[in-house]
Amino acid sequence: GESVGLHLPTLSVQEGDNSIINCAYSNSASDYFIWYKQESGKGPQFIIDIRSNMDKRQGQRVTVLLNKTVKHLSLQIAATQPGDSAVYFCAETRGYGNKLVFGAGTILRVKS
Amino acid sequence: DVKVTQSSRYLVKRTGEKVFLECVQDMDHENMFWYRQDPGLGLRLIYFSYDVKMKEKGDIPEGYSVSREKKERFSLILESASTNQTSMYLCASSLPRGEVSNEQFFGPGTRLTVL
Repeated sequence: GESVGLHLPTLSVQEGDNSIINCAYSNSASDYFIWYKQESGKGPQFIIDIRSNMDKRQGQRVTVLLNKTVKHLSLQIAATQPGDSAVYFCAETRGYGNKLVFGAGTILRVKS
Repeated sequence: DVKVTQSSRYLVKRTGEKVFLECVQDMDHENMFWYRQDPGLGLRLIYFSYDVKMKEKGDIPEGYSVSREKKERFSLILESASTNQTSMYLCASSLPRGEVSNEQFFGPGTRLTVL
């Protein structure tokens, strides 16, 4: 289940289970959202994105859901694997240019 | 594959030193960004550039400056390093905001320690 750690919320799941990572965003004007995965010692890597005119988008083993009514974004990972252990960030774009505003992140720990 | 490289993975400097962090991307991207990452705070934008010689302040520009003399290179400068600038620094690049994707591609990061 979820717990709030010293700095970041942590989600611990059993290998093979599905994971759901949640993110709340603050600005209703944001029109593009993106999920990144960051492994220890590496820069963030793109996972999946979604525009505000969609409410669901699927990739390989990942699904992003967008609920604009409550300003909530979630990342679902199917059949979670040990290699999925990382920090996951959501980000939103607002305004001109391509500036992203990042959330604080969620730690995903996969137990074998 | 897009590649974003940063000049150093680890750097140790003393208070008051001038510090240069270099970032190079090989995909001809117009936009480049500098972030710092601290535990519990996520990534915070310091500066970004949308073209050569163009720059704009991000959310936390104080104590930093940037330089973009060539399209592929974006430098972050700490004019006089202070201990509160000890952090992980991440560079990213992207295409201009458009219809396809606003994905930013990140470098591996530079962990800077200011003593």
